[in-house]
Amino acid sequence: DARVTQTPRDKVTEMGQEVTMRCQPILGHNTVFWYRQTMMQGLELLAYFRNRAPLDDSGMPKDRFSAEMPDATLATLKIQPSEPRDSAVYFCASGAQRRDGTEAFFGQGTRLTVV
Amino acid sequence: GNSVTQMEGPVTLSEEAFLTINCTYTATGYPSLFWYVQYPGEGLQLLLKATKADDKGSNKGFEATYRKETTSFHLEKGSVQVSDSAVYFCALSDHGRGSTLGRLYFGRGTQLTVWP
Repeated sequence: DARVTQTPRDKVTEMGQEVTMRCQPILGHNTVFWYRQTMMQGLELLAYFRNRAPLDDSGMPKDRFSAEMPDATLATLKIQPSEPRDSAVYFCASGAQRRDGTEAFFGQGTRLTVV
Repeated sequence: GNSVTQMEGPVTLSEEAFLTINCTYTATGYPSLFWYVQYPGEGLQLLLKATKADDKGSNKGFEATYRKETTSFHLEKGSVQVSDSAVYFCALSDHGRGSTLGRLYFGRGTQLTVWP
């Protein structure tokens, strides 16, 4: 049963520390999304990639966030330095972009708490 | 631009009641439309989809019809169960060109609680 795998599931860190979240997309999917979910803002798109190239990262605070796909089996989202306002659930999703749109499959998320 | 608007929650129903969650969209082209469901502590799961006007998506007793004339994709279920309690998200996938191609746009989600 193919699925998107995210690690870690939970992360508690102190303000100022670097945080790295990892995602293994479903094999064969050429599109990867990073979303952040909070009660106040709902689901926000941070970045997305097609064929490992970043297409849109305008939703991401550039001064502290970075997203990369070093290879087709790994996507990373880094926050440096982390701040309490970054506390949220971060979701990775992958999909196969087709002519009738992209159907995304979500991982279970990384719950980040910055204290 | 592209956007999705869905009804504010929370929605609270008794078991076996009829459910409607409204969703409308704006899009520059002819997008595909989706409903996703999120159970507590989990990621979003695709519930159903429709790729062109007048298509009806259905799954697990839920249905939604792609209405181009009203730019709507309302989610319905004839008889809800306690196990349907979750957050429901309406979304569209752009068929546009360039960087928006394939991008997903989500509504804010609607919390559904079903009581026995």
